[in-house]
Amino acid sequence: SQQGEEDPQALSIQEGENATMNCSYKTSINNLQWYRQNSGRGLVHLILIRSNEREKHSGRLRVTLDTSKKSSSLLITASRAADTASYFCATDAQDDKIIFGKGTRLHILP
Amino acid sequence: ETGVTQSPTHLIKTRGQQVTLRCSSQSGHNTVSWYQQALGQGPQFIFQYYREEENGRGNFPPRFSGLQFPNYSSELNVNALELDDSALYLCASSIDSGANVLTFGAGSRLTVL
Repeated sequence: SQQGEEDPQALSIQEGENATMNCSYKTSINNLQWYRQNSGRGLVHLILIRSNEREKHSGRLRVTLDTSKKSSSLLITASRAADTASYFCATDAQDDKIIFGKGTRLHILP
Repeated sequence: ETGVTQSPTHLIKTRGQQVTLRCSSQSGHNTVSWYQQALGQGPQFIFQYYREEENGRGNFPPRFSGLQFPNYSSELNVNALELDDSALYLCASSIDSGANVLTFGAGSRLTVL
């Protein structure tokens, strides 16, 4: 079962532009994470935000969390070709297991 | 410090056969989680092993089973393979069984014919 759902499913932007992806989830959480996956490979952890945090930064990444709306957003600033990948939000469901959404496929155009 | 390694990277089986996938967890991690990822979908949680015991299971039938060894490496076994079992199988290790950061292997791509 999916706990989170990303929006949009796919996104194409020009290199240098900012990319924003959203995640909505269903049940209360302790934390929310974002992961990146390059074509058919393993996932790489990007950032974790706790339920008592509203915003977090890591390099060109900015994550926000709104627990009242059960939603999060991932902003990638000044996109690069290497940012082309699928991005997944992941939440801790009951029993603290990490459950992933369906992902947003981001394509950076040269 | 080594990361998570999975083997084999690719394999092809036929319906009804059995398969074993292997995972070595990252040094210092005692928890292994397995995920199934169909093409174009997000990873689906299969189960987690913590200190050699199953510690949570997703919506997968009993023909999906696993093991964790004293060195925290793990196996995923799938019996009576079906066509829909074709997917990328991902292993992830973490420190303890809570909602922690997962370190993933590169995956094992299984094709069932």
